[in-house]
Amino acid sequence: TQLLEQSPQFLSIQEGENLTVYCNSSSVFSSLQWYRQEPGEGPVLLVTVVTGGEVKKLKRLTFQFGDARKDSSLHITAAQPGDTGLYLCAGALDTNAGKSTFGDGTTLTVKP
Amino acid sequence: DAGVIQSPRHEVTEMGQEVTLRCKPISGHNSLFWYRQTMMRGLELLIYFNNNVPIDDSGMPEDRFSAKMPNASFSTLKIQPSEPRDSAVYFCASRVQGASTEAFFGQGTRLTVV
Repeated sequence: TQLLEQSPQFLSIQEGENLTVYCNSSSVFSSLQWYRQEPGEGPVLLVTVVTGGEVKKLKRLTFQFGDARKDSSLHITAAQPGDTGLYLCAGALDTNAGKSTFGDGTTLTVKP
Repeated sequence: DAGVIQSPRHEVTEMGQEVTLRCKPISGHNSLFWYRQTMMRGLELLIYFNNNVPIDDSGMPEDRFSAKMPNASFSTLKIQPSEPRDSAVYFCASRVQGASTEAFFGQGTRLTVV
């Protein structure tokens, strides 16, 4: 059983479209992070959220942490081909904050 | 800073052989993580260290896997004997200890066991 469920698993859209990917769990997290991974590279951190209800913006990316700290979403406005990649969420449990567990990821393809 | 350095980048070995993967964390980081990534299982945490001490190895799949961190600047992940199902990309990551701090990943070692 996966602790963090990400959806959709795959997403293919045209340049300029908006999209939202989700990261859901039944567990409470002390913090949650979003990473982006490109082929042949390791994941790179995009953002960390720690407060329930928190919203963070990074240019065209908007991240939200659920009020109960069990879920999160990533919204991309006007997607560009450079946004293509694997988006991973990672959560640290309240009960074991030393390690993070990753979701399976959402593979995003943005076509020009 | 050069970031997290892993070696080798690619490893092809025959079933039954011993494989050793190496990692040099970022200087000053006191937490180190070993992950395995496959299409089927995604990114799995194998083991992590704080201040060179193994804290949680519950993700290590079998006794064939072992990891060491003899000092703050070096860690190894060893598979002995290797099997085809061990084929995956193995990542090492390091960070300053703490749940919300950023983990920096190496470029990974792509292991193929034939």
